[in-house]
Amino acid sequence: ETGVTQSPTHLIKTRGQQVTLRCSSQSGHNTVSWYQQALGQGPQFIFQYYREEENGRGNFPPRFSGLQFPNYSSELNVNALELDDSALYLCASSLGASGRSSYNEQFFGPGTRLTVL
Amino acid sequence: AQSVTQLGSHVSVSEGALVLLRCNYSSSVPPYLFWYVQYPNQGLQLLLKYTSAATLVKGINGFEAEFKKSETSFHLTKPSAHMSDAAEYFCAVSAMNTGFQKLVFGTGTRLLVSP
Repeated sequence: ETGVTQSPTHLIKTRGQQVTLRCSSQSGHNTVSWYQQALGQGPQFIFQYYREEENGRGNFPPRFSGLQFPNYSSELNVNALELDDSALYLCASSLGASGRSSYNEQFFGPGTRLTVL
Repeated sequence: AQSVTQLGSHVSVSEGALVLLRCNYSSSVPPYLFWYVQYPNQGLQLLLKYTSAATLVKGINGFEAEFKKSETSFHLTKPSAHMSDAAEYFCAVSAMNTGFQKLVFGTGTRLLVSP
């Protein structure tokens, strides 16, 4: 069973640029969640995709957008990069987003560290 | 709305000593609660989770946590610390019985283990 993978591992961009981060979900998982972890902070929820549709969103501006593909892999796109976007971006996959009677465990990838200069 | 508060950004223990990492939660609905560990330059690994079954939850690497509704707490413990336990630990909460699950994390506690 392949775990969650993310690419690239590290990335350096300048203010105003655009970036795309990629995530391959664990085999059999149809839900992907993205989190931003600033230095010294806990991860913060950006959004979640379930079966190619955005299923929920945290308190992030519209310049943070995403996609989920038919194979359930996902992309996080950030436009007009700002210095404060420098962070570790974590992707987590799970089986099913709607867990009314049970919890669907989220499995995390190793993250992409984005530095904005 | 849900939130967690982790008391103490850093906890230092000696090898072999008891580990106690504190987490208090706030949730308007029954919560799921989690402890994750993060080693340097790595992602998050689930240590244990509370999903409304037993209130005392046992996890990996000898860690356990007890859900106390009256105290809104979910503290993480380990009887004897190992050097390999040195890492960042995050408590997280998620809403139970909703159509959408996201994790809300605390700010983390760095565990330092000295020989």
